[in-house]
Amino acid sequence: AQTVTQSQPEMSVQEAETVTLSCTYDTSESNYYLFWYKQPPSRQMILVIRQEAYKQQNATENRFSVNFQKAAKSFSLKISDSQLGDTAMYFCAFMTDTGTASKLTFGTGTRLQVTL
Amino acid sequence: GAVVSQHPSWVICKSGTSVKIECRSLDFQATTMFWYRQFPKQSLMLMATSNEGSKATYEQGVEKDKFLINHASLTLSTLTVTSAHPEDSSFYICSADSATAGTSYNEQFFGPGTRLTVL
Repeated sequence: AQTVTQSQPEMSVQEAETVTLSCTYDTSESNYYLFWYKQPPSRQMILVIRQEAYKQQNATENRFSVNFQKAAKSFSLKISDSQLGDTAMYFCAFMTDTGTASKLTFGTGTRLQVTL
Repeated sequence: GAVVSQHPSWVICKSGTSVKIECRSLDFQATTMFWYRQFPKQSLMLMATSNEGSKATYEQGVEKDKFLINHASLTLSTLTVTSAHPEDSSFYICSADSATAGTSYNEQFFGPGTRLTVL
C-alpha cells in the first residue's frame, strides 16, 4: 500500500515571501503520479500542480513549483510570492498508474496561513 | 469545463433516518466516481469507488450496508447514509474522473462537498 506523509501540520508565511511544503511518499510502483491539492475554507478541492513520475523535469504552474526527488521519494511544493488567497489546507496526493480508475491517496495536510 | 456538483450542500437529519447525497458531473461523462469522507481538520479518506452500471468497491472498514452507493448513469452517483447516527456526521466529498489530454491517467474533479449533521 502507498503512504503519503506531510510532516508539517501548520505553516505560516508573510505575503510576498516564499514557502515550501514538504511531502514524502512510499511506494513500490515504478510509475505513478503526484499531486498537490489546495482546500480553501470553502472546502472545494482545487488541483494546484501535478507531476508524472517518469518525467525528470519538475512541474511548474505560475507561482507554484515542485521539487520532485524520485530516489528520495520526496515531492515538495514551493509557493513563490505568497498571496493572502493562498491561505488554505494543502494536501499532497499519490496515484498509481494502473491504466484503469486510479485511486488517490492523500497525506494528512498542511495548513498554510499567509499573513500581512 | 469538468464541473462536479453535489446536492445538498448541507443536510441535518435525525438519528435513525436515511440521507441521500447526489454527485453529478455537469459537462462530462465519468466512468468512475469516488466518495470521500473528511472529518474536521483531517484529510480525505476514500470510502468507495463507484463505476457506472456495476457495484461499488468499498475500502476496508467501510460498511457497505450503511453507505449505499448507486451509479446509474455516467453523470450521476448517489451515496445514501442509512440509519444515520451522530458519528456519521462528517463532510462527504465526491469526485469524478475524466481522461486528461496529454497524459495517461484520469484526473479527478471534485465536488464542493456535503456537510452532514446527524442529531
